[in-house]
Amino acid sequence: EVQLVESGGGLVQPGGSLRLSCAVSGFTFSDYWMHWVRQAPGKGLVWVSRIFTDGTDTTYADSVKGRFTISRDNRKNTLYLQMDSLRADDTAIYYCARSRDLTFDYWGQGTLVTVSS
Amino acid sequence: QSALTQPASVSGSPGQSITISCTGTSSDVGVYDYVSWYQQHPGKAPKLFIFDVTKRPSGVSNRFSGSKSGITASLTISGLQADDEADYYCGSYTSSSTWVFGGGTRLTVL
Repeated sequence: EVQLVESGGGLVQPGGSLRLSCAVSGFTFSDYWMHWVRQAPGKGLVWVSRIFTDGTDTTYADSVKGRFTISRDNRKNTLYLQMDSLRADDTAIYYCARSRDLTFDYWGQGTLVTVSS
Repeated sequence: QSALTQPASVSGSPGQSITISCTGTSSDVGVYDYVSWYQQHPGKAPKLFIFDVTKRPSGVSNRFSGSKSGITASLTISGLQADDEADYYCGSYTSSSTWVFGGGTRLTVL
């Protein structure tokens, strides 16, 4: 069974940092691109970032470029999102998602990040 | 990248059919057949229901179907059931090698 489990969310002050993790199981992690997608409270889905299978290539939404860093450890079957210079509008549930053929086919349950003083 | 445009809400009675539209641009929906639809119940993670415009993952009912014409994709749900009540999001790959979602449509089963 494919499982993606996010962790690391919480309350952080504006300007602060947080690192999210996504532990996966049930599939060969190193075979898939992985993504982070976020959803502000009561709002829609917003794609955040993508990483290639071997971590050699990454891409980001303009809203997080230069502040967030996606990475992965294929030995630990874990995806990461390092979030720096956090702002109030980064407050959201952050989902990790697997993609196959440019479609998000499995999603985690999400972890809530709240940026507030 | 602007969000794809979806109606905020649609509704229908049990047994009826409804269609949700998703309008993009010539940089996403209009140029790629990588349009997908996701169902999200309150407090839950999104779940893939349609991919590559028209394909259903294993386990998704054939009451759900997708189509596309130009820059507009559509999700049709036939034989509405109470459990179909949820938020539905369309998504597309873009020519900038990024992804974009619609703002979401709340489906109410009357």
